[in-house]
Amino acid sequence: EAGVTQSPTHLIKTRGQQATLRCSPISGHTSVYWYQQALGLGLQFLLWYDEGEERNRGNFPPRFSGRQFPNYSSELNVNALELEDSALYLCATRGGGADTQYFGPGTRLTVL
Amino acid sequence: GQQLNQSPQSMFIQEGEDVSMNCTSSSIFNTWLWYKQDPGEGPVLLIALYKAGELTSNGRLTAQFGITRKDSFLNISASIPSDVGIYFCAGIYNAGNMLTFGGGTRLMVKP
Repeated sequence: EAGVTQSPTHLIKTRGQQATLRCSPISGHTSVYWYQQALGLGLQFLLWYDEGEERNRGNFPPRFSGRQFPNYSSELNVNALELEDSALYLCATRGGGADTQYFGPGTRLTVL
Repeated sequence: GQQLNQSPQSMFIQEGEDVSMNCTSSSIFNTWLWYKQDPGEGPVLLIALYKAGELTSNGRLTAQFGITRKDSFLNISASIPSDVGIYFCAGIYNAGNMLTFGGGTRLMVKP
């Protein structure tokens, strides 16, 4: 069974640009979670999508947004990039009624 | 917001030694999860705990869900070099909701 996949692996942008990150869940998983792992700040919850709807968001500004598609894959969009947005962005998915979340390999975003 | 305090922050041990790390919280969690993360990769699930008092093993790893629901520990027995990495505890308060993470324990094993 294929795990959670994320693309791209690495992304380099400049300040003010927009970034789009993608996540494909494990087959059968309908919930997608996005987390930011910035250096020295640990893992912080960003967004939760389930059945195409945003269910919860963390303490991040509105320029962090996303969506979930009918096939349950998801996109994270970050607008007006700032230097401090440089981080590893992790996607996790959940399904089957269990609470367990499984992570993808992450997208390393670097903002110059 | 909810916070998880994970300790120790780092450990440098000899191969073959046992390791213990724990997480505590001021709030109750209904699920505890333990993950291991290698550099530049996503966290990999090690153990999931769903009931207060639950003790679960996965090979050389053993984890317990504290009876107060405010703490959890992870033990690794007979450590080996491939145990090197960062271990995170994570808690879930509401079913289906987001993970709250501890700050991580960086484990280094000397062969």
